[in-house]
Amino acid sequence: DVKVTQSSRYLVKRTGEKVFLECVQDMDHENMFWYRQDPGLGLRLIYFSYDVKMKEKGDIPEGYSVSREKKERFSLILESASTNQTSMYLCASVAGDFTDTQYFGPGTRLTVL
Amino acid sequence: TQLLEQSPQFLSIQEGENLTVYCNSSSVFSSLQWYRQEPGEGPVLLVTVVTGGEVKKLKRLTFQFGDARKDSSLHITAAQPGDTGLYLCAGASSSGYALNFGKGTSLLVTP
Repeated sequence: DVKVTQSSRYLVKRTGEKVFLECVQDMDHENMFWYRQDPGLGLRLIYFSYDVKMKEKGDIPEGYSVSREKKERFSLILESASTNQTSMYLCASVAGDFTDTQYFGPGTRLTVL
Repeated sequence: TQLLEQSPQFLSIQEGENLTVYCNSSSVFSSLQWYRQEPGEGPVLLVTVVTGGEVKKLKRLTFQFGDARKDSSLHITAAQPGDTGLYLCAGASSSGYALNFGKGTSLLVTP
């Protein structure tokens, strides 16, 4: 059974803290994605990666960075968390073409105080 | 970014009723996916449609891709409480690098 796991289901951080969100997939997928999901705004793509050490900006990359040192792990980094980054963060992976099935993790609900 | 408009935004119905959710765009998509997201979980793929006019059935769910590949609909027959969730459509364009998601339709089915 395919699986995407995220390091935390709930996270509370303070403004200015550096935050790491980890995502691991066990399906040997090439492509991995980070989204944020907000009420009324839907899913918005932050960054994606199509190979180890390769990354591309999505629609809303400002305030975020990513790291993909190993194929199975894709990390989202908030260099200096701000209250407007309070959101649900979803990681996904895809086997091949981006039009293939996206397998999502359960999400991390981040609150920045 | 190619916009996908979903309607209605919210839907509350009783068990046994039928419903239709719409996903519309002014852009052409090479394929379109429908996902369902339950509270506290990530979205899970229901179906992918790739051919204009295509109709796919998944038990009580019927998915249709418009002839021009700009729109899609999801019809649920005899809705059950287990159908409750957020339904998301996502389109792939031939020139894009990722899926474009609609904002979703939140469905509540009460017994």
